[in-house]
Amino acid sequence: GAGVSQSPRYKVAKRGQDVALRCDPISGHVSLFWYQQALGQGPEFLTYFQNEAQLEKSRLLSDRFSAERPKGSFSTLEIQRTEQGDSAMYLCASSFQPGTGGYTFGSGTRLTVV
Amino acid sequence: QKEVEQDPGPLSVPEGAIVSLNCTYSNSAFQYFMWYRQYSRKGPELLMYTYSSGNKEDGRFTAQVDKSSKYISLFIRDSQPSDSATYLCAMGTGGGNKLTFGTGTQLKVEL
Repeated sequence: GAGVSQSPRYKVAKRGQDVALRCDPISGHVSLFWYQQALGQGPEFLTYFQNEAQLEKSRLLSDRFSAERPKGSFSTLEIQRTEQGDSAMYLCASSFQPGTGGYTFGSGTRLTVV
Repeated sequence: QKEVEQDPGPLSVPEGAIVSLNCTYSNSAFQYFMWYRQYSRKGPELLMYTYSSGNKEDGRFTAQVDKSSKYISLFIRDSQPSDSATYLCAMGTGGGNKLTFGTGTQLKVEL
């Protein structure tokens, strides 16, 4: 597709359940980012990949969160033992050129932990 | 104190009005500045991207950056109901990759 694709669009998880969110960036885009957006707030940086290498991870990121990008293509964000505070929109973004900020966001995955 | 401050609004204006949206920041390492528009239940969409102080115009949108005051603005001329959305300012450091976002300002343009 032409844009950044995220799946699922919506996910409801029971507290304690593990979830996996997927991002397919724009083909050929080197950089891939994950952000978390709580309701009424701006996106907060979670982690960054350049190709398959995870170059930066937020210090605020709980160790229940992990991400990978095998072969530098799609990426998966996994959240283990979900908590109600994990309820948020998870946004993925990609860009062709590292070091620039004008990247393209996907429509996000809305996670609700009950 | 947050690195980027933005008034969350909501801001309500009549159609055709000039809208002014603003952000202040505290990190002098920020080198590039962006404005994103976000419709409900959608991802942010890049509107404007600037790398220096001064003005940049694109259609009805003008972005201003004043690095000495650590202040950025987005002006929307001849606002339309379709401009109703949340506007997020974002900024990054030169050579860095992650963006730091403001809270977002919710704008409603009324007929």
